[in-house]
Amino acid sequence: IAGITQAPTSQILAAGRRMTLRCTQDMRHNAMYWYRQDLGLGLRLIHYSNTAGTTGKGEVPDGYSVSRANTDDFPLTLASAVPSQTSVYFCASSLAGEGDTQYFGPGTRLTVL
Amino acid sequence: GQNIDQPTEMTATEGAIVQINCTYQTSGFNGLFWYQQHAGEAPTFLSYNVLDGLEEKGRFSSFLSRSKGYSYLLLKELQMKDSASYLCAVRDSNYQLIWGAGTKLIIKP
Repeated sequence: IAGITQAPTSQILAAGRRMTLRCTQDMRHNAMYWYRQDLGLGLRLIHYSNTAGTTGKGEVPDGYSVSRANTDDFPLTLASAVPSQTSVYFCASSLAGEGDTQYFGPGTRLTVL
Repeated sequence: GQNIDQPTEMTATEGAIVQINCTYQTSGFNGLFWYQQHAGEAPTFLSYNVLDGLEEKGRFSSFLSRSKGYSYLLLKELQMKDSASYLCAVRDSNYQLIWGAGTKLIIKP
């Protein structure tokens, strides 16, 4: 692994189903983030984690949950998917002290029907 | 509220120079970032400004005026591969990034 990986690359999901998007980084970055990107809108922060064991809510947290059991992994769970959660989801990470520059994974394209 | 404004779309010619503007109104300021995003791909870091002035990196330069809440990204000697969206983001008082919707840059031969 080099950088940040996300899985799956894309997914079509029925409304009401539970779904976990996976994110793994091997850069030993302490901070990780989940964003959604919708056409015509800027990236919007869903949840973040400044360090393993801690998480925080971003701008649009409703309907999503996260956990940070270790430094490398930061999964995002949709407990009961709804069509408005159709979006492209990006995971990012940063190392405090480098101007906190965020580095992004390749994204997951999620469609909820 | 917090707001980042940038033009939706710009067109430029290969070999020319283009300036993409970004204005912001945020609760606090702890740096401004520019990212490049090709269609269907992840954003990639281009530049970071925290002090007023110009930062130059090869063909790309970024300028910041904190008093005016204004930044621009300058791309010189445009190449077809520069066709992408350019995202402006400001780190606010909570150290979270607030993102603009992006400027889609179309390069014509």
